[in-house]
Amino acid sequence: EAGVTQFPSHSVIEKGQTVTLRCDPISGHDNLYWYRRVMGKEIKFLLHFVKESKQDESGMPNNRFLAERTGGTYSTLKVQPAELEDSGVYFCASSQDLRETQYFGPGTRLLVL
Amino acid sequence: GQQLNQSPQSMFIQEGEDVSMNCTSSSIFNTWLWYKQEPGEGPVLLIALYKAGELTSNGRLTAQFGITRKDSFLNISASIPSDVGIYFCAGRGPYSGGGADGLTFGKGTHLIIQP
Repeated sequence: EAGVTQFPSHSVIEKGQTVTLRCDPISGHDNLYWYRRVMGKEIKFLLHFVKESKQDESGMPNNRFLAERTGGTYSTLKVQPAELEDSGVYFCASSQDLRETQYFGPGTRLLVL
Repeated sequence: GQQLNQSPQSMFIQEGEDVSMNCTSSSIFNTWLWYKQEPGEGPVLLIALYKAGELTSNGRLTAQFGITRKDSFLNISASIPSDVGIYFCAGRGPYSGGGADGLTFGKGTHLIIQP
């Protein structure tokens, strides 16, 4: 069974540009989560989808971040316009049921210059 | 939001030594989790703890869910080179900083093993 996949693995952009990150969860997993780890800090929760609906987006930093999960399969996280402090590793995780183990993808390493 | 205090921040040990790390919180959690992250990969679940006082083993790894529900420790016995990585504790529960179902993570413990 394929695990959680994320694309791209790395992205280097300039301040003010737009970047879109993609996450493909494990097939059949209704729950999809986005997390972010800024250098030297802890991994922080951003938001949680159940199928195509946003269940909890309390961790989203500001309105420059937009997450979507049309059709309830893969998800995208768009940062527009990107700022220097957005640099970090963005992880996606999925789980079959609400309280089950969350399986993490390899992450997208974003560097904003 | 809620925070987990994880220590130590890093450990330099000799192969074969035992390792111990822990996490504490000012708030209670319903679930404690321990993850390991290797370079270029995402966190991989090692052990999940669901009850206060629970002691669980996974091979050379042993973890406990503190009786107060505010702390947990992870022990690794007889370390080997492939144990190198970053170990994260994570909590989930009524006061999880990430909302109802997001995980709250510690800052991680970097484990470095000298052969």
